[in-house]
Amino acid sequence: NAGVTQTPKFQVLKTGQSMTLQCAQDMNHNSMYWYRQDPGMGLRLIYYSASEGTTDKGEVPNGYNVSRLNKREFSLRLESAAPSQTSVYFCASRGVGGQEGEQYFGPGTRLTVT
Amino acid sequence: QKEVEQDPGPLSVPEGAIVSLNCTYSNSAFQYFMWYRQYSRKGPELLMYTYSSGNKEDGRFTAQVDKSSKYISLFIRDSQPSDSATYLCAMRTSGTYKYIFGTGTRLKVLA
Repeated sequence: NAGVTQTPKFQVLKTGQSMTLQCAQDMNHNSMYWYRQDPGMGLRLIYYSASEGTTDKGEVPNGYNVSRLNKREFSLRLESAAPSQTSVYFCASRGVGGQEGEQYFGPGTRLTVT
Repeated sequence: QKEVEQDPGPLSVPEGAIVSLNCTYSNSAFQYFMWYRQYSRKGPELLMYTYSSGNKEDGRFTAQVDKSSKYISLFIRDSQPSDSATYLCAMRTSGTYKYIFGTGTRLKVLA
C-alpha cells in the first residue's frame, strides 16, 4: 500500500497563477482532509470531505476550492495564487474505528508563490 | 487562548535520556488524543493513539492522558538520535471530523 500520495512535491507559482494539488489514498478511507502548515502556526484545516460527494470548509478556506473526485482522490485548487499561500500543504485520510479511525498524512507539497 | 497549547522547544537531550513532551488543552469534550512524529520535510506520522484517560505503551513510547487536568504527555525512554523530530499532539471530540493540533515541539537527541 502506498498510503496517501500527493503530487507535485514542489511547486513555484507567480502571483495570480492557478494550480491544482492532487491527493490520492489507497486505504479505502472515507474521510479526506487538506491542511496547510506554516512556521509557528501548526496544522490548519483548509477543507475536509467526510465522505465521497461531500466537502466542508475548515479554518482557512479562503482562496481555495476542493473536489472529491471519487473515494480515493481529493484535490485542492488555488484559482489565483497569492504570496500568503506560500506554505506546505498536507493531505490526510481517515478510516473508521480505533487507530485506523485517525488521520494518516501524505508527504506534503511545498508551494512558493512569488 | 488557543484550544491546545504545546511548548515549541527546541528540546535538546543526550542519547539515552527519558524525554517528556506535553500538551494542555481547554476543551473538556476532547476524547481522542494522538501524538504524531514529523521528521524534517516529511508528513506527520501517527505515533500513538489514546481514547479517553489512561496510559498506553508501545515499545519505548508511553502516552498518558489526564482529563481532570486537561493534560497529555508523551514519554520516550532510552531516546535515540533517530527520535530527533517535531512531535505534534492532536485531539478531537467524539463524532467530529475536525482535529485540533498543537504547534509541535522540536526534539533533538544528541549522540
